[in-house]
Amino acid sequence: GAGVSQSPRYKVAKRGQDVALRCDPISGHVSLFWYQQALGQGPEFLTYFQNEAQLDKSGLPSDRFFAERPEGSVSTLKIQRTQQEDSAVYLCASSLFLTGANTEAFFGQGTRLTVV
Amino acid sequence: GESVGLHLPTLSVQEGDNSIINCAYSNSASDYFIWYKQESGKGPQFIIDIRSNMDKRQGQRVTVLLNKTVKHLSLQIAATQPGDSAVYFCAGINQAGTALIFGKGTTLSVSS
Repeated sequence: GAGVSQSPRYKVAKRGQDVALRCDPISGHVSLFWYQQALGQGPEFLTYFQNEAQLDKSGLPSDRFFAERPEGSVSTLKIQRTQQEDSAVYLCASSLFLTGANTEAFFGQGTRLTVV
Repeated sequence: GESVGLHLPTLSVQEGDNSIINCAYSNSASDYFIWYKQESGKGPQFIIDIRSNMDKRQGQRVTVLLNKTVKHLSLQIAATQPGDSAVYFCAGINQAGTALIFGKGTTLSVSS
């Protein structure tokens, strides 16, 4: 596709359930980012990939959060044993060059996760 | 630490007016800043960027001003239109150069 695609668009999970969120970046984009956006707040950085290498995961809030990009294209953000505070929109972004965030990053529409 | 923040959470203007959205940053924030626009239910959309070796950059109907002395930047939108209604974020780069740091956002409402 022409842009960053995320699926599902909406996810309702029962507390304690595991979820997996998918991101299809723009083809050929080297850098991929995951962000968490709580209601009324700005996006908060979670993790950064350069191709398949996860170079920065300093923003992951706990060891329940795990991200991977095994072939350097599609990425999955997994949240284990979801809790209510995990409810947020999860945004994925990709950019073309190797300089990471220092280039224009294109965002997907996000996955809205609601934990009940 | 690194932080980027906006002065006002909301801004209401009349169609045709010019809008100014402000943002302040901390000492250790990056030398590269971006303004994003986010409409309801969508991801942030790139508007314009500026590097610290510049004071001003212009795009189509938008201008970003950077004042390094007081660590402040602003986004000016000329002849604001209803389609400009959205949440606007300024963002800077973390020290590692691996992530954008976003402020909380200013909600711009444009009335006809």
